[in-house]
Amino acid sequence: AQSVTQLGSHVSVSEGALVLLRCNYSSSVPPYLFWYVQYPNQGLQLLLKYTSAATLVKGINGFEAEFKKSETSFHLTKPSAHMSDAAEYFCAVTSNTGFQKLVFGTGTRLLVSP
Amino acid sequence: SQTIHQWPATLVQPVGSPLSLECTVEGTSNPNLYWYRQAAGRGLQLLFYSVGIGQISSEVPQNLSASRPQDRQFILSSKKLLLSDSGFYLCAWSGQGGIQYFGPGTRLLVL
Repeated sequence: AQSVTQLGSHVSVSEGALVLLRCNYSSSVPPYLFWYVQYPNQGLQLLLKYTSAATLVKGINGFEAEFKKSETSFHLTKPSAHMSDAAEYFCAVTSNTGFQKLVFGTGTRLLVSP
Repeated sequence: SQTIHQWPATLVQPVGSPLSLECTVEGTSNPNLYWYRQAAGRGLQLLFYSVGIGQISSEVPQNLSASRPQDRQFILSSKKLLLSDSGFYLCAWSGQGGIQYFGPGTRLLVL
């Protein structure tokens, strides 16, 4: 079975500060990992994905994430927060074998203050 | 390019009434299709998924059902809505590679 834990249901940063959203996963097989962003009353948009290639993955809007197998982590970072980054962020895991169902974390709401 | 549509965008229904939410995908063939529910302040719960026409797998026992009458059409239904069915319903599709692409969602309020 696979699972994802997102530490912190809410994260607050100031505009221009570093953004760090934490995600730890559990998987008995090599995982595929994703970060999605959800703006209010909208669907989810893919930010980036890890599929066993480079461990540092760059995504849209200046976000990146690093896959660390030894720590079973896939934390999302952005060097400088913008007001437009305020949204909910979901980490998700699936496997590269068989039918691929995504298992989502409970989400982290990012608040950006001026 | 592929697009995914959901309608209606918003729905207010009385308890005990029926429900039909529709999802359609354009620009791809034989996608895997998914229905999720997102309750207020909570994560995403996978309700149903389908790997082909007429093939439905249920993840959570409940009073909802799903059907896939055509390759790119996925319908979520209920015969009698409960208050607890309120939420934000998201449809998604995936091809190879495991990436799921989400629709804009339907907000359902059961009163």
